[in-house]
Formats: sequence, C-alpha cells, structure tokens
Amino acid sequence: GAVVSQHPSWVICKSGTSVKIECRSLDFQATTMFWYRQFPKQSLMLMATSNEGSKATYEQGVEKDKFLINHASLTLSTLTVTSAHPEDSSFYICSAMGQNTEAFFGQGTRLTVV
Amino acid sequence: SQQGEEDPQALSIQEGENATMNCSYKTSINNLQWYRQNSGRGLVHLILIRSNEREKHSGRLRVTLDTSKKSSSLLITASRAADTASYFCATRGAGNNRKLIWGLGTSLAVNP
Repeated sequence: GAVVSQHPSWVICKSGTSVKIECRSLDFQATTMFWYRQFPKQSLMLMATSNEGSKATYEQGVEKDKFLINHASLTLSTLTVTSAHPEDSSFYICSAMGQNTEAFFGQGTRLTVV
Repeated sequence: SQQGEEDPQALSIQEGENATMNCSYKTSINNLQWYRQNSGRGLVHLILIRSNEREKHSGRLRVTLDTSKKSSSLLITASRAADTASYFCATRGAGNNRKLIWGLGTSLAVNP
C-alpha cells in the first residue's frame, strides 16, 4: 500500500512551547489529509480535514488557533500545537487520501507536554 | 466524529480459534473499511468493502456487509498471537464527503 510518513514519532516539550508534526505522502498525491487525536484505549477523534491549497476544516470543539494545520502541497501537511499544555499530551495521527484511494495512515506522534 | 459501534469491545481467544468482530453504523455509506492498530502505533488498512458488495476476502480475513442492517463483520480465521491488536471499522459516507466515521474499536487478544 501507499506510504505515509509522519514524524516525529514521539516528542516531549515544555509547557508554553509549540510543536510541529509533519505528515508526508511518499508515493502518491494526497488531495485530502486528516488529523486525528487518540486518547488511550479509545478510538480516533477527527480534529480537522485539509484539502491541498485551502484552509483546514475543523471539527466542532477543536481550536483553530491552538492546532494550526497547513497543507501547502500535495505531499505535505503539518500540524502545529501552539502554546502546548499538559492536557494536549496525546497521540496524534495523520491520514492521507488520494483522489481515488482509501486513507493511509502515518505512524502517529506521541506528544508529551511537561 | 463517531457513529460506529463495534462489539465486542474486547475479545480474548486462543491461538487457532476464529475471531469475529461486528460493526454497526447509522447513515448511508459509500464504503466500509477495517483497520488494525497495534498498541501505540498507526493504523494499518486491512480491507475495504463497497456498499454494493456483500462479502470480501483477503488471506485469513473475511468481511461481510449487510446494508439493510447497516452492519459489517470482520472474521479472522486461524488466529495467531501476532493478530493481537485493536481493530476499527470506519465508514465513508455517500456523496462527496471524504471523512471517515470511526467505530469505537475491538481490542483482540490472542493467547498463545
């Protein structure tokens, strides 16, 4: 299957700092990318959907200014967690979808804010 | 956003046994997909079944879809310890909406 590379796989940061997570589709053009958050032993919670070249669509309850999403090219989307707080600690997963493909997932990023 | 419900939430079986997981959904779909997730890792796509299909096989996996009941099942035959993981169903709605709606997942433990 297609490859989606997400990094870093884990990051520890201090409260108040910002963290950027990258998601790249390596062998296909990702017209749509999704960012999820997952709490322990729970399902995926969709945070936002981004289409290349346009602003991301955020799900209800997700702060746009807190979780900045950029999808500037067909192979790269980034999620920046701004002014991180301990409650932002979580597992973040990106997913990329081509024009006529199923969704392929990155390996996930474990964020710990101390 | 969640609409899928999966049962059981947790399943523990012995190696060699079959494992069956069920998924129900609420709205019309374009397709239904099953994913696997090992602890703390990303998701691996297992199989996709379209709304006009009733059954699909891939290796030891068998997926059925009953659109009249809005439900799907995933059967893993001759399970192995390496099949231990969480399994999620996800539906893609009809129309242009590309979002996947996720089930809550089934945690499968295959004991050697």
